[in-house]
Amino acid sequence: AQSVAQPEDQVNVAEGNPLTVKCTYSVSGNPYLFWYVQYPNRGLQFLLKYITGDNLVKGSYGFEAEFNKSQTSFHLKKPSALVSDSALYFCAVRDTASGTYKYIFGTGTRLKVLA
Amino acid sequence: DGGITQSPKYLFRKEGQNVTLSCEQNLNHDAMYWYRQDPGQGLRLIYYSQIVNDFQKGDIAEGYSVSREKKESFPLTVTSAQKNPTAFYLCASTRVGYGYTFGSGTRLTVV
Repeated sequence: AQSVAQPEDQVNVAEGNPLTVKCTYSVSGNPYLFWYVQYPNRGLQFLLKYITGDNLVKGSYGFEAEFNKSQTSFHLKKPSALVSDSALYFCAVRDTASGTYKYIFGTGTRLKVLA
Repeated sequence: DGGITQSPKYLFRKEGQNVTLSCEQNLNHDAMYWYRQDPGQGLRLIYYSQIVNDFQKGDIAEGYSVSREKKESFPLTVTSAQKNPTAFYLCASTRVGYGYTFGSGTRLTVV
C-alpha cells in the first residue's frame, strides 16, 4: 500500500539553527512528493514539490527538500530557522496507484522554533 | 484573485441535525476534495470529484454526502449518521500538473 510517514510528532529547534523535518514514503512507480505548511485554524499552504529532476528542491520562505530515492525520503530543510516558521508541516505523496490526483498525507510534524 | 473559499469558518451542529459546508473555487480546477483533520491524525479523505456530476468515496465517507453539479462548487453535507463530526474540514482543488490549493477550512463543533 502506498503511504507516507512523518516519524516525529514535534521538532524543536533554536532560532538561527538549521532545521530538518523528516518524511519517508512508499509508492509504486515514480513519486510525486509535496510539502505543505499549516498555521493555526488555516488551510494548508504549498511549500514545494518534487516531480522529477534535481534531487534538491527549493521552495517558498527559504525552505528546501532533498529527495533520496534509495532511502525513499523527502526531508524538509532550512539553513536558519525563524520563530515565524513555527507551524504544522505535512508531507504528501500523490497516490499513483489510483490513477487519480489524490494525495496521501502524513500525520504532520509540529515545528517549534525557540527564540 | 483566484482562490478557493470555504464557508462558514465556524459551524455548530446540534445532535441529529444535517449541516452543509460550502466550498467554491474560481481556479478552473477540475478536481476537488474534502478532507477531515483531527489532532494527531493528519488529513483523511472524505470524498473527491474529478469531473462535474461524478464523485467517489474516500477513506472515511460514512456519514457524509457531496454533490458536484457545477465545476466551481463541491458542498459537503455532514449527516446525522456521522456520530463524531467535530473536526476541522478542509476543501482542496487541483488540476493536472499542479499541487493542491486549499481553502481556509471550516471548524465544525457539535453542541
